[in-house]
Amino acid sequence: ELKVEQNPLFLSMQEGKNYTIYCNYSTTSDRLYWYRQDPGKSLESLFVLLSNGAVKQEGRLMASLDTKARLSTLHITAAVHDLSATYFCAVVGPDTGNQFYFGTGTSLTVIP
Amino acid sequence: ETGVTQTPRHLVMGMTNKKSLKCEQHLGHNAMYWYKQSAKKPLELMFVYSLEERVENNSVPSRFSPECPNSSHLFLHLHTLQPEDSALYLCASSQESGISYNEQFFGPGTRLTVL
Repeated sequence: ELKVEQNPLFLSMQEGKNYTIYCNYSTTSDRLYWYRQDPGKSLESLFVLLSNGAVKQEGRLMASLDTKARLSTLHITAAVHDLSATYFCAVVGPDTGNQFYFGTGTSLTVIP
Repeated sequence: ETGVTQTPRHLVMGMTNKKSLKCEQHLGHNAMYWYKQSAKKPLELMFVYSLEERVENNSVPSRFSPECPNSSHLFLHLHTLQPEDSALYLCASSQESGISYNEQFFGPGTRLTVL
């Protein structure tokens, strides 16, 4: 079974600081997704990364994919309180059809 | 708004009750999913329907019974649940093609409590 690990699981950071969330997965995949979930809310799609070396940026968030290392990163630049949420990565395996495998999530708290 | 709606948003039921969760997508997608989200655990895929046919059933107990009458609607019928089934149940949809798999769009979820 495809395993997806995120770290850190919990992250508390001050406003204005930079940090990176890591997503490692266990088998080949060329497709990775990042989602955001606010407390009590559903998942909101942030990025879709479809090839090795893909980089996407939206505001203070930038996601990248290295399929050879089986690693994706979500980089936060100059964090603001509104970014406080739980961030999930999800991977589709080569032989898993349309099944997404989700990481455990990273709970981010940005402190003023 | 993602174009995926779920009702009810909150449900409290006893272990002997029968209830149903409903999901509707307004995106013209051809695949729909049920996920279970429990505290401190990754999202667990329960069921996948593609073109209204069930293609995945990840060893979900028979007390959960899905139904997909058409490509826009998905139900999850619940009966004789256990307290450990209390969780957030999320519905999602996507447009699947033979070439690429697109992102899944999630509904707001149903918070289920089993007493």
